[in-house]
Amino acid sequence: GNSVTQMEGPVTLSEEAFLTINCTYTATGYPSLFWYVQYPGEGLQLLLKATKADDKGSNKGFEATYRKETTSFHLEKGSVQVSDSAVYFCALTPGGSNYKLTFGKGTLLTVNP
Amino acid sequence: DAGITQSPRHKVTETGTPVTLRCHQTENHRYMYWYRQDPGHGLRLIHYSYGVKDTDKGEVSDGYSVSRSKTEDFLLTLESATSSQTSVYFCAMTESALDTIYFGEGSWLTVV
Repeated sequence: GNSVTQMEGPVTLSEEAFLTINCTYTATGYPSLFWYVQYPGEGLQLLLKATKADDKGSNKGFEATYRKETTSFHLEKGSVQVSDSAVYFCALTPGGSNYKLTFGKGTLLTVNP
Repeated sequence: DAGITQSPRHKVTETGTPVTLRCHQTENHRYMYWYRQDPGHGLRLIHYSYGVKDTDKGEVSDGYSVSRSKTEDFLLTLESATSSQTSVYFCAMTESALDTIYFGEGSWLTVV
């Protein structure tokens, strides 16, 4: 079946540090890949997405590249801010007629001033 | 705002009572979903709908039922609530697999 594995948290960084959150997936066919962010007490918001191999999704300084050869979609940001503190979820939809979104377990990021 | 709302946002109920959560969208999107979020599990799909009166089970559907009698509303019912169903429930919607999936703000349910 389809699954997403992301690095265990929590992750604690100082402001302006470099961020990487690893995500790997298992899926048949050609999935679309997503990163969602959840701020405290809120629902999930789409951060970025990539729909085919070698695509790079980017938003708000975050970026992730769809690597089919390594089945990965790692999230990176060059310089994090306190306001980036949140839970980050990697997710996929298998594609075709399957519209179910499968999530990883989430990674809590805390950025200290 | 993406035009998706959930009600109630917070509810405390007793074991054995029925509970219905409502998801309402104003975007005329075809696909709607119910997820639950629990520590250590991320988000898990309960049920989803791919059209009016068309629904299917997700990975954690036991103890839950859904109904979609019109495009804009997707109801999640706990027939007889148990403490293991204490969770945060999120509704979501999308028009297609390549489009953004929009989430509601969540419904916090406590079963005592």
